[in-house]
Formats: sequence, structure tokens, C-alpha cells
Amino acid sequence: AQSVTQLDSQVPVFEEAPVELRCNYSSSVSVYLFWYVQYPNQGLQLLLKYLSGSTLVKGINGFEAEFNKSQTSFHLRKPSVHISDTAEYFCAVSSGGYQKVTFGTGTKLQVIP
Amino acid sequence: DAGVIQSPRHEVTEMGQEVTLRCKPISGHNSLFWYRQTMMRGLELLIYFNNNVPIDDSGMPEDRFSAKMPNASFSTLKIQPSEPRDSAVYFCASRPMGTDTQYFGPGTRLTVL
Repeated sequence: AQSVTQLDSQVPVFEEAPVELRCNYSSSVSVYLFWYVQYPNQGLQLLLKYLSGSTLVKGINGFEAEFNKSQTSFHLRKPSVHISDTAEYFCAVSSGGYQKVTFGTGTKLQVIP
Repeated sequence: DAGVIQSPRHEVTEMGQEVTLRCKPISGHNSLFWYRQTMMRGLELLIYFNNNVPIDDSGMPEDRFSAKMPNASFSTLKIQPSEPRDSAVYFCASRPMGTDTQYFGPGTRLTVL
């Protein structure tokens, strides 16, 4: 079984400040990890993913995430946020292949001007 | 590429009525997923198909829900009879063979009165 925990349901941050959105996962097998973003009234879109290789993954819009196997974490970071980053962010885990993806409960990032 | 297409975008119906949601995946994608999103329960996987075959329908809430994929370019999610607790945003997503990235449609917002 696999699961994802996003402890923070909402994260307010001032514009141009750094942000970290936390994600911890649980899985009994090798994992693939994802971050998706959902803007208001839209579907989810992929920000970045970790499949293998370098543990630091860079995605779109200046976001990056680091896979930490010992801490079973995949936290999302951005050094300086913009108003346009206001959205809900979902961490997800998969075992790959035809296995389903399990999503976390989401973290709402609110960027304050 | 038009992306994943869902129809209708909004549906308002009365309790007891039949509701059919439609999805056209991205051409060439061989996996299709139906999700439900609510404030209370977050994003839930209802069912997914590989090559038009249902692989995992354990997330389907009850017998009132059914999903079909008669061909590679079309899928339906039917609720009969509908109940107010079915009110949610329903997302369809597709995934190409050999990757783990899902592409989400814009969703159908269902309101059951």
C-alpha cells in the first residue's frame, strides 16, 4: 500500500518570500513521486516528478523538490514566490507501470502581496 | 493538441435523476482515470482503465456509479440515481504508455439538488 501525507492544508506567504510545501510518503516498494498544481477552476497539471537519478528535481515555474529516501519526504520549494503561484498543490506517489497514483490532500498556497 | 476534453463543464440536476459525464482522452494515451474532488474528501480515484479495460474500480462509491470505455477515445461515468452527496467536481485524466504523467481535463462540476 502507498500513501501520501501533506501536513499543511494552507500556507500563507508574502510575495517574493521563499516557500516550502511538505510531503511525506509511505510505500513498500520503489516509488515515483510527483507534484501537481491546481489553479482555481482548473484541472491538475504536473509541476515536476522524480522517477530515478538525481534527488533534486527541477520543475516548471521555478519550483524544485528534493527526494529524501531516509526521511521518506519529497518537499516542494521555491526561493521567491509570485502572486501567480497562488494555487493548490498536490503531492502524489506511484509504484510505476500500470499502478495507480495516490494523491495527498493538497496544500493551498496563498501568496500575499 | 486539445488536451483532455470533458463534458458538460457544469451539471445541475435533481436527486434521483441519471447523470452521465463524458471524457475524451488525449489521442494516443492508453490509460484513463476518473477522479472525484470534494472539500471534505479531497481528490479520490474512482476507477482507471488501461487499453479500455477497467483495472481498478475499488474507488467507485457504490453500485449507483458505473464507468465505461467503449473505445480508446471515449469514456463515460454514470450515476443512477444521483444523490446530493454526489455533488463534487469530477475529473478525467489520461496517461500515455510508458510514462507516469497524467494529463487532467478541466473537470465537470456536478450539483445534485
